[in-house]
Amino acid sequence: NAGVTQTPKFQVLKTGQSMTLQCAQDMNHEYMSWYRQDPGMGLRLIHYSVGAGITDQGEVPNGYNVSRSTTEDFPLRLLSAAPSQTSVYFCASSYGAGRDGYEQYFGPGTRLTVT
Amino acid sequence: EDQVTQSPEALRLQEGESSSLNCSYTVSGLRGLFWYRQDPGKGPEFLFTLYSAGEEKEKERLKATLTKKESFLHITAPKPEDSATYLCAVQAMGRRALTFGSGTRLQVQP
Repeated sequence: NAGVTQTPKFQVLKTGQSMTLQCAQDMNHEYMSWYRQDPGMGLRLIHYSVGAGITDQGEVPNGYNVSRSTTEDFPLRLLSAAPSQTSVYFCASSYGAGRDGYEQYFGPGTRLTVT
Repeated sequence: EDQVTQSPEALRLQEGESSSLNCSYTVSGLRGLFWYRQDPGKGPEFLFTLYSAGEEKEKERLKATLTKKESFLHITAPKPEDSATYLCAVQAMGRRALTFGSGTRLQVQP
């Protein structure tokens, strides 16, 4: 299993540009989520999905869109990038059921800089 | 609102010098408390899940414990390869999302 994969690893955008961060998992996990990590602030939840076709907002959703058309993929879209979105983005997934099914497994991250 | 506070923010130990990291939490009904390790430039790596007060779990030099208000990650005789940021997170009953603390950055010097 490749686990959770993310592309790209690094990205530089200009203010106002759009882009999509890709996330895929091959563990047949129902639950997938996107976090951003900023110095001193820990991981903050952006959006999450409990299955194909179902998404919901997390703690910091503004400026981001998501969709989930398949179990495997959960892309994160930045419609109009702003410097405040400079951060490291992590995708995570979990089985989402059973006693030990809520442990989230993380991808390697995408480091995004908006100038 | 669920909250997680980790202390200290940073900890420097000599190799072999045991210590503990603290994770204090408030949550409306705890479903699980999670510990992760994060190396620079990488994603968090799952270590433990604890479900109820009194529970303990061990992995190599690490032991996690849980009370009704806090969790400790005990590091026994650490080695330089234990240097990393350790993250704590909680999950409330009925919710899927995790709430993370800001982490403890551990440095173990040879």
